[in-house]
Amino acid sequence: DGGITQSPKYLFRKEGQNVTLSCEQNLNHDAMYWYRQDPGQGLRLIYYSQIVNDFQKGDIAEGYSVSREKKESFPLTVTSAQKNPTAFYLCASTPRGIYGYTFGSGTRLTVV
Amino acid sequence: GENVEQHPSTLSVQEGDSAVIKCTYSDSASNYFPWYKQELGKRPQLIIDIRSNVGEKKDQRIAVTLNKTAKHFSLHITETQPEDSAVYFCAASMNTDKLIFGTGTRLQVFP
Repeated sequence: DGGITQSPKYLFRKEGQNVTLSCEQNLNHDAMYWYRQDPGQGLRLIYYSQIVNDFQKGDIAEGYSVSREKKESFPLTVTSAQKNPTAFYLCASTPRGIYGYTFGSGTRLTVV
Repeated sequence: GENVEQHPSTLSVQEGDSAVIKCTYSDSASNYFPWYKQELGKRPQLIIDIRSNVGEKKDQRIAVTLNKTAKHFSLHITETQPEDSAVYFCAASMNTDKLIFGTGTRLQVFP
């Protein structure tokens, strides 16, 4: 997966359940990002982190939480407060001061 | 914050014709403009990018133009082929900050 791995590839969530999406990179990249992709809406930024133990909200952070305890890991938790979580979730990373992202292969989350 | 608008949302062309996708951005401080291609169910792949100190950049059949005054940039694909069919996204950022994406253009190239 080009050094950035997302798991699982498919995830099913029941109503009221929290789920965590994994994103791991071995590229020694400083910055990591989470995007949500819905049909016709492009990629919308959920959270991002430019350094360990620090992260910022993106445009649609409500109902999501993240942590950045290690440089290589940036997990995303979709909480029960997110009322419409069905979407394709993409994680990306980039070295500090460098243009352009490396994307993971994505996780497709479906509410059942 | 930055806002990126992208048009058209769908584009159909005959094989061999050219395709043009246009984006506008709102923040005049943005200085990096990449284009990504995403095939169905796959991750976006960077196909070309341009920085604000350049007006045009070309890579084989793909070119990007930037008009800083008007705050818009465009992707040009010449001699289109069926394998060019995909969703294309433009994006903008200031320096190496987070990317803000357009809503995407679904390009279909018919043989």
